[in-house]
Amino acid sequence: DAGITQSPRHKVTETGTPVTLRCHQTENHRYMYWYRQDPGHGLRLIHYSYGVKDTDKGEVSDGYSVSRSKTEDFLLTLESATSSQTSVYFCAISAREGLAGPSTYEQYFGPGTRLTVT
Amino acid sequence: RKEVEQDPGPFNVPEGATVAFNCTYSNSASQSFFWYRQDCRKEPKLLMSVYSSGNEDGRFTAQLNRASQYISLLIRDSKLSDSATYLCVVSLTGTASKLTFGTGTRLQVTL
Repeated sequence: DAGITQSPRHKVTETGTPVTLRCHQTENHRYMYWYRQDPGHGLRLIHYSYGVKDTDKGEVSDGYSVSRSKTEDFLLTLESATSSQTSVYFCAISAREGLAGPSTYEQYFGPGTRLTVT
Repeated sequence: RKEVEQDPGPFNVPEGATVAFNCTYSNSASQSFFWYRQDCRKEPKLLMSVYSSGNEDGRFTAQLNRASQYISLLIRDSKLSDSATYLCVVSLTGTASKLTFGTGTRLQVTL
């Protein structure tokens, strides 16, 4: 158990509304990630963070922003939700970190948030 | 061409059978390889890393063929509890743990 929780676990919202998803970890890992998972696609990286206030874009970052003001929390915000953002969102942490950055090994995932935008 | 390709299945096998999945990747510079397991409506969980020399964990054996750019997962003596989707995952080192996921191969083990 990597001590990762996500909230909310399920959300239905309307097009055009802002939505914030929260990822919380209890083990002080430096690297955190947000992915989305859709049928026909593998998990795709949205944004990641390599420390407090240090974030970078992933493969599918358009329409999303993130913030990390504390080590334990990584927030994903949809400023104006669209139906194409209906998905399952997973947060992950990188469990091992080498001197040059995170090891590419062993990312552990939170339980996911199912978001429906109507 | 997708960066990581897997046969989506489903693979329907009886309990006790041996089943193998393959996965191909397109970037020859890839350095790290993994198999994750994902149960229906759950998060992916790391099953095993894949090492160049091949590695085994109980009933599970993973192999890497860099020349042909494919990874395999062999499951022996399949159990009902092995029913899940198996995700092939590839990474380049030095890229902040950027993982590229395949879409998964679904396994259904039956009585």
